[in-house]
Amino acid sequence: AQKVTQAQTEISVVEKEDVTLDCVYETRDTTYYLFWYKQPPSGELVFLIRRNSFDEQNEISGRYSWNFQKSTSSFNFTITASQVVDSAVYFCALDTSGTYKYIFGTGTRLKVLA
Amino acid sequence: GAVVSQHPSWVICKSGTSVKIECRSLDFQATTMFWYRQFPKQSLMLMATSNEGSKATYEQGVEKDKFLINHASLTLSTLTVTSAHPEDSSFYICSASPSGEQYFGPGTRLTVT
Repeated sequence: AQKVTQAQTEISVVEKEDVTLDCVYETRDTTYYLFWYKQPPSGELVFLIRRNSFDEQNEISGRYSWNFQKSTSSFNFTITASQVVDSAVYFCALDTSGTYKYIFGTGTRLKVLA
Repeated sequence: GAVVSQHPSWVICKSGTSVKIECRSLDFQATTMFWYRQFPKQSLMLMATSNEGSKATYEQGVEKDKFLINHASLTLSTLTVTSAHPEDSSFYICSASPSGEQYFGPGTRLTVT
């Protein structure tokens, strides 16, 4: 079975705090892709990152960083020094074998308070 | 990045009527597009794969006669919700990919009264 679990339904932090959003996935495929998307109140999904199953290097992009660990089937997302504009729903998604048919997690609603 | 547009951005229709939603890839050609549905505060669920020049492929549990998909050109896919009912009210999102990651349209919010 293929599945993406985002156990954190909602997280609230105060501005400038660091926050980590968890993502755990399940798949039997050896080739797969993991994604993070941001969905602000406007509803439009914003692409954040794509990672294939053969690349376990962690990635940093500005205040964003991602930790991919195949051993624990996790692909966690950390925002450093959070800002109010980071408030959104964040989705983790899985694409097995490059079919482009994404399996989304249930999303984590992040609220950053000023 | 690639741009995917949807029209309309929101629509209100009466129960029993049909409504068409357009999805366009603006700066690339897409032989395949995807349609997702998102209920309030829930995740996105894949409804169907739209294939240019051939029939769409529907996910299990999605009524193909209710959600008609037409992918008539390499830049346009349409989703028609036929005989809409209040339970069809949802946020419909399409996506397409020039290569690699999917780019999502801004979504269409459908309200059936």
